[in-house]
Amino acid sequence: GIQVEQSPPDLILQEGANSTLRCNFSDSVNNLQWFHQNPWGQLINLFYIPSGTKQNGRLSATTVATERYSLLYISSSQTTDSGVYFCAVNAGGTSYGKLTFGQGTILTVHP
Amino acid sequence: DVKVTQSSRYLVKRTGEKVFLECVQDMDHENMFWYRQDPGLGLRLIYFSYDVKMKEKGDIPEGYSVSREKKERFSLILESASTNQTSMYLCASSFSGFREYQETQYFGPGTRLLVL
Repeated sequence: GIQVEQSPPDLILQEGANSTLRCNFSDSVNNLQWFHQNPWGQLINLFYIPSGTKQNGRLSATTVATERYSLLYISSSQTTDSGVYFCAVNAGGTSYGKLTFGQGTILTVHP
Repeated sequence: DVKVTQSSRYLVKRTGEKVFLECVQDMDHENMFWYRQDPGLGLRLIYFSYDVKMKEKGDIPEGYSVSREKKERFSLILESASTNQTSMYLCASSFSGFREYQETQYFGPGTRLLVL
């Protein structure tokens, strides 16, 4: 099956710093999503981005499908950005939307 | 807003017990999923369902079964709980289809299960 690798595994920042999280995947995908899991365990969808670039406030994401990677940018980080960031992909042709997740990047933002 | 709820946030069970985890969604989604999350491994798919009474195995189905008798409810069953099933269990749901609003998955708050 498809492999998803995220880097770095851990990231520690001071409030106000910028960061880039990377997701590499081993095959063509028709669905790529970025999620944030807060310290209480809730996963929230950040972006649906199988290709191209999207922005939402301080967060933006870019997927280069031909080179099989996606980047999540966090600018002017805040303590509330702490948590785990997951990249997930679907390479199948069905409409079921089965996702394969990376192992996550644990982000800690200090005040 | 989409709401996905799970029956318990924390659960403690004994080895050999039968355990039921329930998930309910209120958005008329066709697809529902059960994942388990372990440190360093991300989320791994246990089972999913694409319609009432329809189910398919995910990547790690061993030791689990599921039930979907109504569209809004998807249950995960541990027939005989073991200590290696101690984990965080997450339920998700989505529409069927290939458009963004159909493929976006919505997650419940998770159940932390401890098997002693």
